[in-house]
Amino acid sequence: TQLLEQSPQFLSIQEGENLTVYCNSSSVFSSLQWYRQEPGEGPVLLVTVVTGGEVKKLKRLTFQFGDARKDSSLHITAAQPGDTGLYLCAGVPNNNDMRFGAGTRLTVKP
Amino acid sequence: NAGVTQTPKFQVLKTGQSMTLQCAQDMNHEYMSWYRQDPGMGLRLIHYSVGAGITDQGEVPNGYNVSRSTTEDFPLRLLSAAPSQTSVYFCASSLNRGLGTGELFFGEGSRLTVL
Repeated sequence: TQLLEQSPQFLSIQEGENLTVYCNSSSVFSSLQWYRQEPGEGPVLLVTVVTGGEVKKLKRLTFQFGDARKDSSLHITAAQPGDTGLYLCAGVPNNNDMRFGAGTRLTVKP
Repeated sequence: NAGVTQTPKFQVLKTGQSMTLQCAQDMNHEYMSWYRQDPGMGLRLIHYSVGAGITDQGEVPNGYNVSRSTTEDFPLRLLSAAPSQTSVYFCASSLNRGLGTGELFFGEGSRLTVL
């Protein structure tokens, strides 16, 4: 089983729709990160959340860290084809050992 | 700015062959790591290093060796390749020794197929 469980695994929506993807764990994290990966490339950091209950906004993307620091969510408003990619959450449950979830593969159709 | 550079981008091996995946970064990062990415399993940490001369095992270290003789380079060696090592390999680096808040910078990946 994955330390970080992401859902859904796949998501296909039309341009303009809203969506939320989730990252859950039974472990507590001091912080969680979200990365986006496009085909043939390495992941690129989107955001880091460090405080329980924290909400961060990056244009049309809203990230939330759960109060208990065991989960996080990513909400995209009015999705665009350029948002297509694999969204990965990551966290460090112990020193110097970052773990990733399996990711949510998002496809936004024009 | 080159960032993290991985070579080769593609490689096909026969079972039992050995090879080295190269990784170099020009950002003077202390922390470097190797991940493998398989469908449905995300990125799994193989080995990591918090500085020159220091390496440690990650989640899936068996079948892989690493060394860190310089800050810039962190090669990953497969001593006797097996089909189970067919995967996409990513090298990453970070400025911060204590991860969690530091950004990981990834290379473009090396796709390895073992026949």
